Amino acid sequence: TQLLEQSPQFLSIQEGENLTVYCNSSSVFSSLQWYRQEPGEGPVLLVTVVTGGEVKKLKRLTFQFGDARKDSSLHITAAQPGDTGLYLCAGVGTGGFKTIFGAGTRLFVKA
Amino acid sequence: GAVVSQHPSRVICKSGTSVKIECRSLDFQATTMFWYRQFPKQSLMLMATSNEGSKATYEQGVEKDKFLINHASLTLSTLTVTSAHPEDSSFYICSALPLAGQETQYFGPGTRLLVL
Repeated sequence: TQLLEQSPQFLSIQEGENLTVYCNSSSVFSSLQWYRQEPGEGPVLLVTVVTGGEVKKLKRLTFQFGDARKDSSLHITAAQPGDTGLYLCAGVGTGGFKTIFGAGTRLFVKA
Repeated sequence: GAVVSQHPSRVICKSGTSVKIECRSLDFQATTMFWYRQFPKQSLMLMATSNEGSKATYEQGVEKDKFLINHASLTLSTLTVTSAHPEDSSFYICSALPLAGQETQYFGPGTRLLVL
């Protein structure tokens, strides 16, 4: 069974601080997605990474896929209160399209 | 593009009644849709994979006779919670894969079900 461990599960920081969220697995993924979810809404796709070692940037967010495609990180620079939300990583197994979700990181950015 | 809608957004029903939730891909066709359940402050739990024109594949522990899934067209999948009980109260979210071979799912806004 593929597992995707996400850490930290909860993070409370001050506006302007940097943070990194990690997703790790012992399994290889063909791709990995990062989503952000706000209370009462569905997850919204932030990025998909496919190639080992790939780095993608979305404004203040930097996503990296590990060289072996087993792990990924999300780094937020100068966090803002608007970044508050639940961040989910999701990996697609190499055997098909079944997606495995991490437990989520609940981020709270204080003004 | 890649917009997924769900209806209703929230529903309150009496115990023992059935509730149908619709999931539509608005600007693309989806041969595969997924149904998830999310409890407060938890991640998404996959309930079933819905394939257009065929029977849904249910995850272990999910009762197929209680959670009926129908994927009658390339843009619509429905989840019916039969004989709902208070423990079925949850946030139900669907997602869709735009094209065969694509791996990125696009999620609907979710349906909050409260069974009294």
